[in-house]
Amino acid sequence: NAGVTQTPKFRILKIGQSMTLQCTQDMNHNYMYWYRQDPGMGLKLIYYSVGAGITDKGEVPNGYNVSRSTTEDFPLRLELAAPSQTSVYFCASSYGQLPEQYFGPGTRLTVT
Amino acid sequence: QKEVEQNSGPLSVPEGAIASLNCTYSDRGSQSFFWYRQYSGKSPELIMFIYSNGDKEDGRFTAQLNKASQYVSLLIRDSQPSDSATYLCAVIAGNKLVFGAGTILRVKS
Repeated sequence: NAGVTQTPKFRILKIGQSMTLQCTQDMNHNYMYWYRQDPGMGLKLIYYSVGAGITDKGEVPNGYNVSRSTTEDFPLRLELAAPSQTSVYFCASSYGQLPEQYFGPGTRLTVT
Repeated sequence: QKEVEQNSGPLSVPEGAIASLNCTYSDRGSQSFFWYRQYSGKSPELIMFIYSNGDKEDGRFTAQLNKASQYVSLLIRDSQPSDSATYLCAVIAGNKLVFGAGTILRVKS
């Protein structure tokens, strides 16, 4: 049982490039989330999903897109990367709306 | 006003002392409150949650909730160097968790 896995662990992008951050969970959780965490800041919700085929915007969705074709996977797409997207990105999952969200190890992204 | 506010710290306490971490929230209708611990370079993990006014104890950790004053606290008794981390307070708003910026705790041996 691997829990929540994220790839890659680190990535450097040039301005204007695109990439997909991968997230997979093997706990059969229906809820999945993407957060970003800037230095000295709390977690900001980017997008979330309550099940396959259903996604919704969080607090800071601009510049990102998501899809949820399966229960297990919830990729986050960055189009036209900007320096403001330099951050640590965490994927999380939970069973229903229970408060215990299980977090992946994070992806540290730098846009230069 | 931010939905969840915490003092960024760092809060420094000697080993064996009680560490007291505080959090205030703006939505008077909030019902559920959570404390996550995040070690440097790691992901957050849930350590406590509280729904009702009063205290909830789990080992060395006690969560305190005062809905009238809109604050929630986390007390760590017999603090250990291994407790050094950032502690994030979170509140349910609608169907999402809203996190505070976190308080850095440093326990000195």
